[in-house]
Amino acid sequence: DIQMTQSPSSLPASLGDRVTITCRASQDIGNYLRWFQQKPGKSPRLMIYGATNLAAGVPSRFSGSRSGSDYSLTINSLESEDMAIYYCLQHNEYPWTFGGGTKLELK
Amino acid sequence: EVQLVESGGVLVQPGRSMKLSCAASGFTFSTFPMAWVRQAPTKGLEWVATISTSGGSTYYRDSVKGRFTISRDNAKRTLYLQMDSLRSEDTATYYCTTGGPGYNPNWFAYWGQGTLVTVSS
Repeated sequence: DIQMTQSPSSLPASLGDRVTITCRASQDIGNYLRWFQQKPGKSPRLMIYGATNLAAGVPSRFSGSRSGSDYSLTINSLESEDMAIYYCLQHNEYPWTFGGGTKLELK
Repeated sequence: EVQLVESGGVLVQPGRSMKLSCAASGFTFSTFPMAWVRQAPTKGLEWVATISTSGGSTYYRDSVKGRFTISRDNAKRTLYLQMDSLRSEDTATYYCTTGGPGYNPNWFAYWGQGTLVTVSS
C-alpha cells in the first residue's frame, strides 16, 4: 500500500500567517493527489485536485505544489475560517490512502 | 444543486449486517464513479470502497474485502454499501462521495452529510 506521511500533525498559527502542510508519498502517485479541509461535525471539502489545481469556490489564498514525492498545501494570509483539519489523499493506486491529518489551530 | 444523502446508520451488534444507502440528486449519477469513505470517532479519513459508473468494477480496502459490498442502482440514483460480519472496528461515520481515478475536478467534490454506524454489543 502507498503510505502518505503527512506533517505536521498539529500546526499552531496566527491570523495573517503563511502556513504549509506536506504529504510525502511512499511510491510514485503522479499528480493524483487531493487536499481536503474538514471542520468539526462537517463533511470533508475538496480544496485542491491534481496536486496543484484549485477546486471550485476555494479562495485563492490556498495553493498546492509538488516537489518530487512531496506534495504541499500552502495557505497565504491565514484567516479564522481556515482553522480546520486538512487531509491529503492519493488516488493513483488502490487502496486509496489518506494522510493522517493536520490540525490547524490558532496560536 | 448536487445532493448526496446517506441513510441506514444505526447501532448494531458485532457479527450482524447492515445496508447503507446514498441518494443522489442534482447531477448525472450514472456518469460518476462513487465511493464510500469512513471516519472512526476522533480519527482520520479512511477510504472504504469505489464503484465504477456501470457498477461492473468494484474496489475495496483489505479490511472490508469479503464482508462489504458496494453497489449502485443508476435508475434509482442510489449508491449502497452492504456490510456483513460487522466488527467493532467498523464503527465510524460513513460518507458517500463522487470519486474515481483521474483528474476530474468533480471527483471528491461532493459529499454526503455522513451516517453513523456503531457496532457494539
